[in-house]
Amino acid sequence: SYVLTQPPSVSVAPGQTATITCGGNDIGRKSVHWYQQKPGQAPVLVLHDDSDRPSGIPERFSGSNSGNTATLTISRVEAGDEADYSCQVWDSNVDHYVFGPGTKFTVL
Amino acid sequence: QVQLQESGPGLVKSSETLSLICSVSGGSIRGYYWSWIRQTPGKGLEWIGYIYSSGNTIYNPSLMSRVTISVDMAKNQFSLQLNSVSAADTAVYYCARHARPRGFWFDPWGQGTLVTVSS
Repeated sequence: SYVLTQPPSVSVAPGQTATITCGGNDIGRKSVHWYQQKPGQAPVLVLHDDSDRPSGIPERFSGSNSGNTATLTISRVEAGDEADYSCQVWDSNVDHYVFGPGTKFTVL
Repeated sequence: QVQLQESGPGLVKSSETLSLICSVSGGSIRGYYWSWIRQTPGKGLEWIGYIYSSGNTIYNPSLMSRVTISVDMAKNQFSLQLNSVSAADTAVYYCARHARPRGFWFDPWGQGTLVTVSS
């Protein structure tokens, strides 16, 4: 089965730029989706198809995907961005959905 | 605006069956794909399986032998049954709608419901 990897934690000071990676074998050939989850809340979609933002998601959230790594970038980080971020792909070979283990993002 | 709401017992005894319902409001269940996803305490998200409104299902191989997902079009809801539960099944269970066929992500999600398996 397809496996995704993420760093357990990322920390950045307010106003700086944060990058959260999602690794997988040839993940650049897949579409990667990102979710934000704050404590006690359900996940919220922040990016789909590598870099598309749903309505209501700030332009500060962007993404890229190439080779074996997809990246979620948060620009001009704010305290309210502190959350767990998980990546997700669809494994077309078996029609299954796979999530990364999640990254705890802390604003210093 | 489609909204999803999970419901069911918050406590299930070990070896028994976990049963949850996801009620869909603000839109029809027809023509969409719907999933169950869980999150064990302090761990990541795990996709359990999905059902299409026609009744076709696909399950995560790790749970396939114990899982049944079904749909009730008349009530606009779908359900999850997980047999022979153990402490490892203690988790927050979410239901979610697929963007499929437009795409392969989940949006929206229900608020989640915590199910604890007791011995």
